[in-house]
This record gives sequence, C-alpha cells and structure tokens, in this order.
Amino acid sequence: SAVISQKPSRDICQRGTSLTIQCQVDSQVTMMFWYRQQPGQSLTLIATANQGSEATYESGFVIDKFPISRPNLTFSTLTVSNMSPEDSSIYLCSVAQGSEAFFGQGTRLTVV
Amino acid sequence: QQPVQSPQAVILREGEDAVINCSSSKALYSVHWYRQKHGEAPVFLMILLKGGEQKGHEKISASFNEKKQQSSLYLTASQLSYSGTYFCGTDSTGAGSYQLTFGKGTKLSVIP
Repeated sequence: SAVISQKPSRDICQRGTSLTIQCQVDSQVTMMFWYRQQPGQSLTLIATANQGSEATYESGFVIDKFPISRPNLTFSTLTVSNMSPEDSSIYLCSVAQGSEAFFGQGTRLTVV
Repeated sequence: QQPVQSPQAVILREGEDAVINCSSSKALYSVHWYRQKHGEAPVFLMILLKGGEQKGHEKISASFNEKKQQSSLYLTASQLSYSGTYFCGTDSTGAGSYQLTFGKGTKLSVIP
C-alpha cells in the first residue's frame, strides 16, 4: 500500500496569507487528488493533480485560490491563497494505486 | 450530487450487526467505502465496481446494485475497533476514476 506523507500536519495562519501543503508518496502514482474536510463533515474533492498537465478543478474551486503543482509522480503541493476563516478545514491528499485509494493524514488548517 | 447515507448514526453492542446504506441519484460506475476514526485519515475498505458484485473483507462485506444506484455495507459481529465514521464515495464519471463524491457519513459506535 502507498504511504503518504503530508506537511505540515497542522498550522494556524493569519487571514490574507497563503499556506502551501506538501504531499509526498513513497511510490510513483499517476493521479493525485486533493480533498477538503470541514470539521465533522464529509470530504469534498478540490482538484485532481496530474503530472505533466494542469490540475482539474471541481465546481466551486478555482486555480487562483487553490494553485496546485505536480512536478513529478511522487509529489504534489496545494496552496491555499489569501486565506479567510472560511478556509479553516482539514486538507487531505489522496492517491489511487491499483484498485485502492489511500489518504494522507491531512493538514489541519486554522485561519484567524 | 452527494450520495445519501443512512443511518446518520448507529450505536451497537459488541457482536451485533449493522447495515449502512448509500444511494445516489446518478448512475454509478463504482462505490468506495472508507472508515475514518477521529483525527485520523480515512482508511480504504473496499471498492465495488459496476456489475452488481459483492465483496467481503473479514466480517465486513458490501453489495452494489447499479440499477438502483445503491450500495450497502454489512458489518457482522461488530468489534470495538469498528467504531468510526463510515463514508461511501461514488464515481459517476467513468471506470477507474477516483474523483469521488462522498456521502455525509455514518457514525458507528460500538460499545462493550
């Protein structure tokens, strides 16, 4: 099974600033996904990060707010830009490997 | 559209059985089931592909009725370790895609 490391695990940020979350996988994967999970809520797909092409964003999420990089098959970053308290959430990266999907431990973001 | 899970919450005594349902208003290619414990990443349980198959994993099994666009997760002889929130994730875009739409979750509590 894939092992996913996310950094940072948590952060408290000032509104108006940006935070970049890193996701490192221990094996090469074609597709990586970024999800948001608000406290006590379900997971919502933000975007699909594909190596060699631009990320594909879901309805309600835009590149200016959540720019994504995918420089190689084992690494991706998600930036939460110009943060507001509404961005306080857990952000998780996920990868698909074979018939299974795996999640990182998540980044717990609090915007004050 | 978000799949609907039922029940929202259930409390079981050790050894009891439970069924968690997931239904969608859209045609489904696959249904994925996850369990998430508080403060932890979601853990993949199983995937059910279009074709009405049923899968099992120890005392946890699931079925997928593609005509009814429904899936059910069966937990038999529950153990304390089964406690957590169960999410179904549905794929309506195509085979092999992991761009999932998750239900709101079913909180399962197993007590001694």
